[in-house]
Amino acid sequence: RKEVEQDPGPFNVPEGATVAFNCTYSNSASQSFFWYRQDCRKEPKLLMSVYSSGNEDGRFTAQLNRASQYISLLIRDSKLSDSATYLCVVNPTGGGNKLTFGTGTQLKVEL
Amino acid sequence: DAGVIQSPRHEVTEMGQEVTLRCKPISGHDYLFWYRQTMMRGLELLIYFNNNVPIDDSGMPEDRFSAKMPNASFSTLKIQPSEPRDSAVYFCASSLPFEKLFFGSGTQLSVL
Repeated sequence: RKEVEQDPGPFNVPEGATVAFNCTYSNSASQSFFWYRQDCRKEPKLLMSVYSSGNEDGRFTAQLNRASQYISLLIRDSKLSDSATYLCVVNPTGGGNKLTFGTGTQLKVEL
Repeated sequence: DAGVIQSPRHEVTEMGQEVTLRCKPISGHDYLFWYRQTMMRGLELLIYFNNNVPIDDSGMPEDRFSAKMPNASFSTLKIQPSEPRDSAVYFCASSLPFEKLFFGSGTQLSVL
């Protein structure tokens, strides 16, 4: 089983739609969770951290479910500019800076 | 700050040749990471350094790969000899302790 698993997509949604991605992780001791965004042929960039209580940043909401070992990302009122690959990232050891990346979920927002 | 700087942006080489990728981290960052990205396997951590010391190189695929960090502002990833299956995008990233990673623009490596 992979340490971090994501549905590769693509998710094709119309502008203004709400879309959600899930990601599962295998190490129950994992402490830190993140979503990174990667545009085509660009480097990954941090979108948001994921906290146990859930967190929101504008149109983006991230949630953590420790019991089921998954994290989610919800995008409301999607924009064309949201088209990218979203990478689920886990710190499996809970210490240091070693991060494990999922292979990403591709989102395409269309007119 | 200029961010993490990688060179070259693109490298095309023939099988068996030595390849050296370079990285300059953000000044003051204690951690430096080398990742490899392919369509099939996504982003894989190859090795990371803390204060110029290699901490975990368990992701280095085999002895053909080596990485060094002679000082706080420079790191290299070397592949010798290179093989076609090494073709990928290689990213360098740096960070402060427990802070987010800043990635360089990557090196697109093609081994023919």
